[in-house]
Amino acid sequence: QKEVEQNSGPLSVPEGAIASLNCTYSDRGSQSFFWYRQYSGKSPELIMSIYSNGDKEDGRFTAQLNKASQYVSLLIRDSQPSDSATYLCAVNTYNFGNEKLTFGTGTRLTIIP
Amino acid sequence: DTEVTQTPKHLVMGMTNKKSLKCEQHMGHRAMYWYKQKAKKPPELMFVYSYEKLSINESVPSRFSPECPNSSLLNLHLHALQPEDSALYLCASSHRRGEPEAFFGQGTRLTVV
Repeated sequence: QKEVEQNSGPLSVPEGAIASLNCTYSDRGSQSFFWYRQYSGKSPELIMSIYSNGDKEDGRFTAQLNKASQYVSLLIRDSQPSDSATYLCAVNTYNFGNEKLTFGTGTRLTIIP
Repeated sequence: DTEVTQTPKHLVMGMTNKKSLKCEQHMGHRAMYWYKQKAKKPPELMFVYSYEKLSINESVPSRFSPECPNSSLLNLHLHALQPEDSALYLCASSHRRGEPEAFFGQGTRLTVV
């Protein structure tokens, strides 16, 4: 079982609709969860972080975390063509001096005008 | 300030060359990472330097060697690379006063000829 799993897509969503991205992880000791956006040829850009169960909203983005189910999701409301990118889920398991940030394979999102 | 600076942005090197990649951050982060990313793949962790302790992904060949001169700087020394080592090399840092968000530099595009 992969440590962090995502649907690779591609996921196509009409402009203005809600895009829903999902991620599961295997290590119950994981403490921090991140969503990164990566445009082709560029480095990952942090767009959301979440540490406790529930929802966290930031503008058009909402991250959801359920530690019991080992599940993280990202919702993008009012999707824009500029949201077209690969979205990487990352999970951080941290003990002093033993840092581990692991990425999923990424979901390629295309917003259709 | 969430800047991680990597130099150079692009590097072409022969298989007999020795070169170094440089990564610098001035955010007070206590963990720094090197990742390798091939096209259409997620970042793959190579090394972590966290709280003055180096952790190594054992699958990384010895032709890659990290060096951490101080808490703000993480170098990656390259020697006798192979064409399959051509990739985007990403540096990231995290953990400023308990904030685990990891931020990436813009990457170094490495081509081995």
